This record gives sequence, structure tokens and C-alpha cells, in this order.
Amino acid sequence: ILNVEQSPQSLHVQEGDSTNFTCSFPSSNFYALHWYRWETAKSPEALFVMTLNGDEKKKGRISATLNTKEGYSYLYIKGSQPEDSATYLCALSTGGGNKLTFGTGTQLKVEL
Amino acid sequence: DGGITQSPKYLFRKEGQNVTLSCEQNLNHDAMYWYRQDPGQGLRLIYYSQIVNDFQKGDIAEGYSVSREKKESFPLTVTSAQKNPTAFYLCASSIVSVSSYNEQFFGPGTRLTVL
Repeated sequence: ILNVEQSPQSLHVQEGDSTNFTCSFPSSNFYALHWYRWETAKSPEALFVMTLNGDEKKKGRISATLNTKEGYSYLYIKGSQPEDSATYLCALSTGGGNKLTFGTGTQLKVEL
Repeated sequence: DGGITQSPKYLFRKEGQNVTLSCEQNLNHDAMYWYRQDPGQGLRLIYYSQIVNDFQKGDIAEGYSVSREKKESFPLTVTSAQKNPTAFYLCASSIVSVSSYNEQFFGPGTRLTVL
């Protein structure tokens, strides 16, 4: 079973702060890296799917980078808002049927 | 509305009973997945299916069974052989393509409590 690690486990920031968190994975098994946002009482929703080393994706105030050689991805949120409060999951795909191995998530709380 | 439905939202069962969790999708996706979440752990894959009448074990299939008789439906049975069945169960679906890194769409989940 692959080991996908996320840090920190939880994060409290003030509205307007920028923040980032990390997803680490075994670089030898890489095929694609997914980021999902999971708000309380809702279903996880896909943010990004990244496949190429050096890839950078952006959606509004959220962006992500990928380093497949060293096995990590960063997720950045610029100017955090209360609606950004959620658990952010990363998941590694090693090919073979779109199977995903998820990290434990980073729980973000943005306070006013 | 297109999406994935799971029912019920909360389920209580007595120890030793089998229980079946429902998952239905109207997204016309070929692939469907079952995950389990426990406190402090990531989502773990139980079973997945890429086509009707075919499915594969995930990382923690012991004590579970599935069927895929229709494209829209992928029910999960938690059997009495599952040692720790109390958990939150999520169903997901995706398209199947050559690229094999398609995003998955998730249902709202079922919280199963075995008393």
C-alpha cells in the first residue's frame, strides 16, 4: 500500500491570510496527482489533476504545483476566506484503472 | 440533476448482520468505487468496477462484497465477516479513458454504525 502524506493535519488562519499545505508521495509510483476539497456535510469535489513535473494549476485564489522527481505537491490559497474552510485531500494515481490512494487530508479553518 | 446518490445517510445495524449500502449514479460513468473513511485516516479503497459485471478488490476488500449488474448501480454489502464495520462509506464514479487519471465524482456518503 502506497504512503501518501499530507501536512499539516490541520490549520487555523485568519481571513485574508495566504496559506499552503503539502502532499508527499513516492516519486517512483507517480502517474497523476489529484487534489480534492471536502466541505463539511458535502461531497468531496475535484480541484486539480496534475500529471507533469513542474505543472502548475490555478482556480481562482487556489493554485497547486507539482514536483514528481522529489515527490511532492503544494496547494496554495491566496487571501483565505471563510468559505475556503474545508478538508483538502490529495490522492495519488499510479495508473491501472484510475485507482487513487488518498492522504489523510489537511483540515483548514478560516476565521473572521 | 446529474450526480451520485447514496442511501440512507445514516444506518444502524446489529453486530452479525449483513447490510447493503446503495450507490446510484446518473452521470453515465463506466467506473464506480467504494471507499471507507475512519477517523485520522485517508479514504481507503474497498472495491472498484470499470465495467458492468466486472469488479476488482481494492486495498481493504476483506469482509465486503459488491455487484455491478447495471451501469448506474454499485451496491456494497458489509458482511458479518468485516471486523470493524462502523465507518463512513463514500461511493464515487468516473469516466474510463486511456489516460486513466480522470477525476472522481463522489456521493454524500453513508455513516454505518454497528451496535
